[in-house]
Amino acid sequence: SAVISQKPSRDICQRGTSLTIQCQVDSQVTMMFWYRQQPGQSLTLIATANQGSEATYESGFVIDKFPISRPNLTFSTLTVSNMSPEDSSIYLCSVGPRGGETQYFGPGTRLLVL
Amino acid sequence: GENVEQHPSTLSVQEGDSAVIKCTYSDSASNYFPWYKQELGKRPQLIIDIRSNVGEKKDQRIAVTLNKTAKHFSLHITETQPEDSAVYFCAARFSGGSNYKLTFGKGTLLTVNP
Repeated sequence: SAVISQKPSRDICQRGTSLTIQCQVDSQVTMMFWYRQQPGQSLTLIATANQGSEATYESGFVIDKFPISRPNLTFSTLTVSNMSPEDSSIYLCSVGPRGGETQYFGPGTRLLVL
Repeated sequence: GENVEQHPSTLSVQEGDSAVIKCTYSDSASNYFPWYKQELGKRPQLIIDIRSNVGEKKDQRIAVTLNKTAKHFSLHITETQPEDSAVYFCAARFSGGSNYKLTFGKGTLLTVNP
């Protein structure tokens, strides 16, 4: 399976600021996704990162709050904007290799907003 | 949209016993069902998956069964070991549209007691 890295692995941020999380894959992948996992909870899909076009957001998530970029087939960023303590969570990217529907997860970014 | 229910939310077994986790899905068009294992502080790891054209799949001590008529699928772990202790998530992929997004169950915390 692909090797997936995320930066930063964790961060503590002040409310009102923004944080950009990077997801890098060591091979080209068709699909890239961003999830949020709140403590003790399941995985909630934020959006599908589309290469060369705007991301597809799930209900309850908007572009102004979670802008996403995907400039190529190996890289994507998620920005958490104007953060509040409710944004404290783990943010994970996942990837689906070419021609496959299986998803593999990155190591996650632990975010704490004070 | 797709809805996935997972039971039980917690499961405690003695080492060597079997463990069974069950999931039901709402959309009869769903065609791909992966299972993930998430150890504390780590990323979800794919452990087994099954497609709708198969009724059962086995990989060593792990097996998954699918009943399309009843719209449910189950994870079976035999001869459990303490290292099987983790949170297990089931998921389902709706086959409509061009994306591969997954809907996750709420998770099952499995504890294997030595």
